[in-house]
Amino acid sequence: GAVVSQHPSRVICKSGTSVKIECRSLDFQATTMFWYRQFPKQSLMLMATSNEGSKATYEQGVEKDKFLINHASLTLSTLTVTSAHPEDSSFYICGSQGADNIQYFGAGTRLSVL
Amino acid sequence: QKEVEQNSGPLSVPEGAIASLNCTYSDRGSQSFFWYRQYSGKSPELIMSIYSNGDKEDGRFTAQLNKASQYVSLLIRDSQPSDSATYLCAVDYKLSFGAGTTVTVRA
Repeated sequence: GAVVSQHPSRVICKSGTSVKIECRSLDFQATTMFWYRQFPKQSLMLMATSNEGSKATYEQGVEKDKFLINHASLTLSTLTVTSAHPEDSSFYICGSQGADNIQYFGAGTRLSVL
Repeated sequence: QKEVEQNSGPLSVPEGAIASLNCTYSDRGSQSFFWYRQYSGKSPELIMSIYSNGDKEDGRFTAQLNKASQYVSLLIRDSQPSDSATYLCAVDYKLSFGAGTTVTVRA
């Protein structure tokens, strides 16, 4: 149990384009979803937290207009990186938390912006 | 702001030995603690959760929690090369991660 599907696993895009990343909890309902970013050799950095049907809560320093988060259902959350630039290149990981309050992670999306 | 600190790495242990990972946290009110393993290029996977003082064992892994000392540890017994990874300590449901300790098990 506790399977979280995240896709795409890898995306390469041109500077200025937008990229959408999907995160689905396949066998449980995720009351809360988290989005992280991880740069090489560093730990996960929480970007935002979202509850189903509510606006996401962004961490300090994360631009909410650049990183759009939608948590439309208890099993799906999306992160859209708008007008991506090379400095947005990173490993993006979603975490889903259900009734057991344990967070399970998707496989991650490696974004490369040219 | 929650702070989580892990013992500095990297940690290198011979195959079959015990790897000991330590983590301290700043928020005395923290109630839940997790250890995740992250292989290079992959996302973290949950190894252990612990909520009460004492030891919790799961196979070759033992988590130890001491809330009075604000300390949680992970022991890996009979270490295997496949245990080579970065181990992340996480505190509370929102997950304040430590920087991670990279473990290398030498065959």
